Amino acid sequence: NAGVTQTPKFQVLKTGQSMTLQCAQDMNHEYMSWYRQDPGMGLRLIHYSVGAGITDQGEVPNGYNVSRSTTEDFPLRLLSAAPSQTSVYFCASSPGQGAFGYEQYFGPGTRLTVT
Amino acid sequence: SQQGEEDPQALSIQEGENATMNCSYKTSINNLQWYRQNSGRGLVHLILIRSNEREKHSGRLRVTLDTSKKSSSLLITASRAADTASYFCATDTYSGAGSYQLTFGKGTKLSVIP
Repeated sequence: NAGVTQTPKFQVLKTGQSMTLQCAQDMNHEYMSWYRQDPGMGLRLIHYSVGAGITDQGEVPNGYNVSRSTTEDFPLRLLSAAPSQTSVYFCASSPGQGAFGYEQYFGPGTRLTVT
Repeated sequence: SQQGEEDPQALSIQEGENATMNCSYKTSINNLQWYRQNSGRGLVHLILIRSNEREKHSGRLRVTLDTSKKSSSLLITASRAADTASYFCATDTYSGAGSYQLTFGKGTKLSVIP
């Protein structure tokens, strides 16, 4: 199993450009999520999905869009990039979500710089 | 908003020593998880402890949970240079409509000196 894969690994954008960060998992996990990691801030949840066709907002959703048309893929779209979106982005998946608690599997990350 | 807060922010020890990191959280939880992140890599799950458990072991890792104090600790015994990484605690936070979100702390950066 490849686990959780993310592309690209690095990306530089100009302010106002749009792009899509790709995330795929081959573990048949229902729950997928996107986080951003900034220095000294830990990880903050952007958007998540509990299954194909279902998405919801996390703590910092503004400026980002997601969709989940298949179980495997969960792309993150930056609509109009801003310097404040310079960050490292992680995609994660887990077999479920809820009070019972589930281990999350993380991808290797995408380092995005917006100039 | 950050639910868990790790302490200390940074820790430097000699190889062979034990390392202890603490996590405090604000609201009631159902479970708490610890993750490790090596520099430039994704997070890796270490251990999950449920609210009705007080202690859990996995190899050289020992996690305790004190729900009355809303705190958890991660102990790494006989540390190795390869344990150098950042360690995060994460808690499941109820976000409404039957949905839960995993909320991470800011992490403890551990350096193990050979």
